[in-house]
Amino acid sequence: AQKITQTQPGMFVQEKEAVTLDCTYDTSDPSYGLFWYKQPSSGEMIFLIYQGSYDQQNATEGRYSLNFQKARKSANLVISASQLGDSAMYFCAMREGGRGSTLGRLYFGRGTQLTVWP
Amino acid sequence: KAGVTQTPRYLIKTRGQQVTLSCSPISGHRSVSWYQQTPGQGLQFLFEYFSETQRNKGNFPGRFSGRQFSNSRSEMNVSTLELGDSALYLCASSLGGPSVTTDTQYFGPGTRLTVL
Repeated sequence: AQKITQTQPGMFVQEKEAVTLDCTYDTSDPSYGLFWYKQPSSGEMIFLIYQGSYDQQNATEGRYSLNFQKARKSANLVISASQLGDSAMYFCAMREGGRGSTLGRLYFGRGTQLTVWP
Repeated sequence: KAGVTQTPRYLIKTRGQQVTLSCSPISGHRSVSWYQQTPGQGLQFLFEYFSETQRNKGNFPGRFSGRQFSNSRSEMNVSTLELGDSALYLCASSLGGPSVTTDTQYFGPGTRLTVL
């Protein structure tokens, strides 16, 4: 089974509008961390925001916020006031706290290509 | 603080050759992870090194190997290159602390390998 599922291959949003990128995850480990990265066409993965499984509040970082619904196993990224420079591929990722083969590795979704138009 | 650096940025090789990619982590980071990114398979975990020891390895053949030096710099090597090894290879560094779930990985710009 996929650890991370991103169901939106592409999303379009007008400049200055808000957009939500969906992410669901699958784990039986009670301790895990969820991450969002942005990958522009240049290829570098840029860290955006983190949410821990035990965090009581949704994470926020500037224009980025994470809508964390633990019972539904979803961690959607909300970008407020979109800018043209936000156009990029966005990846949701998870690290589990267990031992063995899952220890420390990041599991990535397939990504969502966001296009911001003027 | 300087970010993660990877060299070379671009590489063209032919089938059967071998290649070595290099990664310098953020100062103070002791963990280095490697990922392969292809359009077909997405991002796949190769291996992770911490304090010169491989802590974890993904499902890749033995042609893919790596190592980490005492200054935390890491190299990965791919021997007997195949066409399917063409990919963007990303290196990420993190503190490598005891709480892996909060240990954020910061990525380098990647090495784009083309195998002809």
